Amino acid sequence: NAGVMQNPRHLVRRRGQEARLRCSPMKGHSHVYWYRQLPEEGLKFMVYLQKENIIDESGMPKERFSAEFPKEGPSILRIQQVVRGDSAAYFCASSPPVGANVLTFGAGSRLTVL
Amino acid sequence: GQQLNQSPQSMFIQEGEDVSMNCTSSSIFNTWLWYKQDPGEGPVLLIALYKAGELTSNGRLTAQFGITRKDSFLNISASIPSDVGIYFCAGQGSDYGGSQGNLIFGKGTKLSVKP
Repeated sequence: NAGVMQNPRHLVRRRGQEARLRCSPMKGHSHVYWYRQLPEEGLKFMVYLQKENIIDESGMPKERFSAEFPKEGPSILRIQQVVRGDSAAYFCASSPPVGANVLTFGAGSRLTVL
Repeated sequence: GQQLNQSPQSMFIQEGEDVSMNCTSSSIFNTWLWYKQDPGEGPVLLIALYKAGELTSNGRLTAQFGITRKDSFLNISASIPSDVGIYFCAGQGSDYGGSQGNLIFGKGTKLSVKP
């Protein structure tokens, strides 16, 4: 039973490029969450999705960031026109419909913007 | 935004020592969670607390949900080298209106081995 799978694990982009981060939840989990972690900081909530629905995007920056969780395939966090301040570790977590407070995290995708 | 104050920020341990860390908040939480993060990895859940006053153990780890619902502590007894890492508290709460899975994380307590 694979855990939460994230790829790529490391991504380097130049300013102005696009970054796409993918997340496959644990088997049986239908809820996906994205968090961002800056160096020496705790994780900050970005967005909560169920299949084909965004439930809570209160932590998403208003511009350049978007997330989706399509009916088929992984969840995608997309960052357009990246800037140096976007450099961070991005973690995906998933949970089952019941007991949804118990999140299982992936190993993260580390984005570096040059 | 909501904040959790986690202390200490860092500590050095010697094998066999007991370790304590805590988190406080100005907000009331319905759930307190403690996670451990190793370098280059995601956080792994250690203990989940769902009820004010609850005391829960997981092996050498013990955590409590404060009676005011605004604080929690984690104790590690008889520490071993593999306890090294960063420990995060996280709350999911009521009076800040966060959705399920919208956790507020502390900044972490970094455990290192005494030289």
